[in-house]
Amino acid sequence: IQMTQSPSSLSASVGDRVTITCRAGQSMSNYLNWYQQKAGNAPKLLMYAASTLESGVPSRFSGSGSGTDFTLTISSLQPEDSATYYCQQGNISPYTFGQGTKLEIK
Amino acid sequence: QVQLVQSGSELKKPGASVKVSCKASGYPFSTYGLNWVRQAPGQGLEWMGWINTNTGKPTYAQGFTGRFVFSLDTSVSTAYLQIRSLKAEDTAVYYCARVRDPRYYYFDYWGQGTLVTVSS
Repeated sequence: IQMTQSPSSLSASVGDRVTITCRAGQSMSNYLNWYQQKAGNAPKLLMYAASTLESGVPSRFSGSGSGTDFTLTISSLQPEDSATYYCQQGNISPYTFGQGTKLEIK
Repeated sequence: QVQLVQSGSELKKPGASVKVSCKASGYPFSTYGLNWVRQAPGQGLEWMGWINTNTGKPTYAQGFTGRFVFSLDTSVSTAYLQIRSLKAEDTAVYYCARVRDPRYYYFDYWGQGTLVTVSS
């Protein structure tokens, strides 16, 4: 299943509301997960089942969507949110990732 | 606490083999499957497959059959990724990652990554 994220990159200011979109090549209910990867580090799980926040992840992160269209929202951007964000489908093998969205802080 | 600790960086010549280890701790090893994910330089994440830590059965994604081998040593709670006949395009960071819930197939813990560089 092909996963397409948009935008590929974006720049936003501290305090901004940021939304990243992930579109699946076929419908997959809510089998969609989100990760944050900071430079030089392993990915970190943010969200699973489209909208369930992983323990320890700040509540400014939220997820929504079902079927083919999903979003990751950061309600109030913080400096430490500078990273690349990936969606990943958990519906069917092979468990594909989106190409990533690089988020920079202005 | 749960930890996945991988072996260190490797520099190999084309045609050689490499074996990357992933040692798990902080949970019952056989309870969760372990996956391997590749990240080429400057690129995104690519799922390579997984190994059932209860049965030892490996499953390989398309493109990772033949030269790639997943294995276990349950006595030391360690999974291994072996790559044979290395090519320059195998240069990447390889991660092991645990799947908590196979229904939604998300990776809740990751190793720190192992950089494999293939160069003559």
